[in-house]
Amino acid sequence: DAGVIQSPRHEVTEMGQEVTLRCKPISGHNSLFWYRQTMMRGLELLIYFNNNVPIDDSGMPEDRFSAKMPNASFSTLKIQPSEPRDSAVYFCASSLKDLSSYNEQFFGPGTRLTVL
Amino acid sequence: AQTVTQSQPEMSVQEAETVTLSCTYDTSENNYYLFWYKQPPSRQMILVIRQEAYKQQNATENRFSVNFQKAAKSFSLKISDSQLGDTAMYFCAFTRNSGYALNFGKGTSLLVTP
Repeated sequence: DAGVIQSPRHEVTEMGQEVTLRCKPISGHNSLFWYRQTMMRGLELLIYFNNNVPIDDSGMPEDRFSAKMPNASFSTLKIQPSEPRDSAVYFCASSLKDLSSYNEQFFGPGTRLTVL
Repeated sequence: AQTVTQSQPEMSVQEAETVTLSCTYDTSENNYYLFWYKQPPSRQMILVIRQEAYKQQNATENRFSVNFQKAAKSFSLKISDSQLGDTAMYFCAFTRNSGYALNFGKGTSLLVTP
């Protein structure tokens, strides 16, 4: 398996522009997570989905952020309009939810976003 | 809400020596999972070791072992025979179960010197 795939790996944009980050989870996984990593706040959850349904979006900073999972093999995180404080590394992770046993979350390589 | 605290922002150890990274957490759950993740400069998140709260035996993976003290809510990572490739950020993390998000500590930057 190719693992969790994220694109782009790097994104540089100007303040006010729309940014879309993409994630393809591991085939067969039914849970998908978006995390953000900054120096100030560390690694924090933005939103996660189970079976394509958003379960917890309490970490989404504000209305400028939105996430979708139209099917089991694709998710997007959109920022509109982007601001310099959104500069961070955004990770996508996936796992197989099974309450009878723990299944590891596998992380993608991350997208480094820079908003000028 | 669960919180994870790593009180050592930076640590340094000489090659072949042993180092221990500290982590404490707070939760009202009785069953949960704890982890140590490694993030090298490539920024890839790599699972180092996992501990199930219902298991009394401390987890071990080759040179990596944990000291899990459930009553004290403490979960430290011991790296034996440190290698240069162990240089990385190390994150302690907590989750209730599969399909739930991970709560991370702020991380400890470990430098292994020759």
